[in-house]
Amino acid sequence: KAGVTQTPRYLIKTRGQQVTLSCSPISGHRSVSWYQQTPGQGLQFLFEYFSETQRNKGNFPGRFSGRQFSNSRSEMNVSTLELGDSALYLCASSLTTGGSNQPQHFGDGTRLSIL
Amino acid sequence: GNSVTQMEGPVTLSEEAFLTINCTYTATGYPSLFWYVQYPGEGLQLLLKATKADDKGSNKGFEATYRKETTSFHLEKGSVQVSDSAVYFCALSIVGGSQGNLIFGKGTKLSVKP
Repeated sequence: KAGVTQTPRYLIKTRGQQVTLSCSPISGHRSVSWYQQTPGQGLQFLFEYFSETQRNKGNFPGRFSGRQFSNSRSEMNVSTLELGDSALYLCASSLTTGGSNQPQHFGDGTRLSIL
Repeated sequence: GNSVTQMEGPVTLSEEAFLTINCTYTATGYPSLFWYVQYPGEGLQLLLKATKADDKGSNKGFEATYRKETTSFHLEKGSVQVSDSAVYFCALSIVGGSQGNLIFGKGTKLSVKP
């Protein structure tokens, strides 16, 4: 069974640009969550999508947005990039939403560097 | 609110030493608890989980017991190997909100020397 696939693995952008990251969940998983990981802040929750609907949203500015398609694949977009957006962006999928004992399965992440 | 506190790292051990990484939590209700591991350049992998009080999760020689009375979920391994060098995250599950469905600790970096 294929795991969570994130593309691209690495991205280099400059300030002011925008970027789109992609995540393909494990087959059959309907929930996709996005996290930002930095050395200073650790893992911070961005948002969760379930059945094409945003279910939860973290405390990030509106420059960060996402969507989910009918096949459960998800994209996140960051507009007007800032130096502080440099981070590892992780996607995780699970069968369902709403907590419980369903573990989340993570991709290897997209390393975004802003110059 | 909901939170997870892990011991500060880094932790440096010699091969075959005993490992304990402390984790305590604050939560409303009865969350499930998880340990994830992150190897360099990779995402997080689920290491083990426990869904109710007194449950013991185990995998690859690692163990953790869900202690409701002390709100703890400490990770232990009897004999670490160099290949165990990684960052370990304790996490609890909640039902949604601005923190998402999983609340993570800040991670503990483990380095095992031969």
